[in-house]
Amino acid sequence: AQTVTQSQPEMSVQEAETVTLSCTYDTSESDYYLFWYKQPPSRQMILVIRQEAYKQQNATENRFSVNFQKAAKSFSLKISDSQLGDAAMYFCAYQVGYGNKLVFGAGTILRVKS
Amino acid sequence: DTGVSQNPRHKITKRGQNVTFRCDPISEHNRLYWYRQTLGQGPEFLTYFQNEAQLEKSRLLSDRFSAERPKGSFSTLEIQRTEQGDSAMYLCASSLGTGFVSPLHFGNGTRLTVT
Repeated sequence: AQTVTQSQPEMSVQEAETVTLSCTYDTSESDYYLFWYKQPPSRQMILVIRQEAYKQQNATENRFSVNFQKAAKSFSLKISDSQLGDAAMYFCAYQVGYGNKLVFGAGTILRVKS
Repeated sequence: DTGVSQNPRHKITKRGQNVTFRCDPISEHNRLYWYRQTLGQGPEFLTYFQNEAQLEKSRLLSDRFSAERPKGSFSTLEIQRTEQGDSAMYLCASSLGTGFVSPLHFGNGTRLTVT
């Protein structure tokens, strides 16, 4: 069974600083997709960034980037120039195939200090 | 794009009662997913539709749970004989599946409290 582990229940970062959220996963598949989703308090979950396993280049979306280490089955999220609006629960998720379900980690609460 | 809509936002029910939730996906999205999220945890997959066909069901989905998506548009999730352990946030998501990985768009969820 595929599993996703987020070992940091909670992280804090000073506004304008950089923070890295960790994620590891377990799979026997060679082709899959990885995602980071953000869930602000009492608001809907939104996609932050995604990575195709067959791509060696790490995905980047503005201030958000990932460090994808396929052999280590690691997929960390780096947030640069942190902003107050980045405060949320962040979920790492894994998907095999086009229509299959996402498997989520337990999440990391990110607090941003002003 | 009006987003994924879920109703009701909150539902409080007594143990043993039946409840039904509704999800309206983004209009052109052919895939629809139901997830359950308990406090402090990540969402857990319940079931998935492609158009009107229910293609996958989790073992979490006991026989008290049933989901439908008539005509491939909106979907309903019914829980019969609710139990306190059913208390959770029920999330609906939709995506446009055309042979590539399309991001899921989530609704705001329905929070169920079983007393």
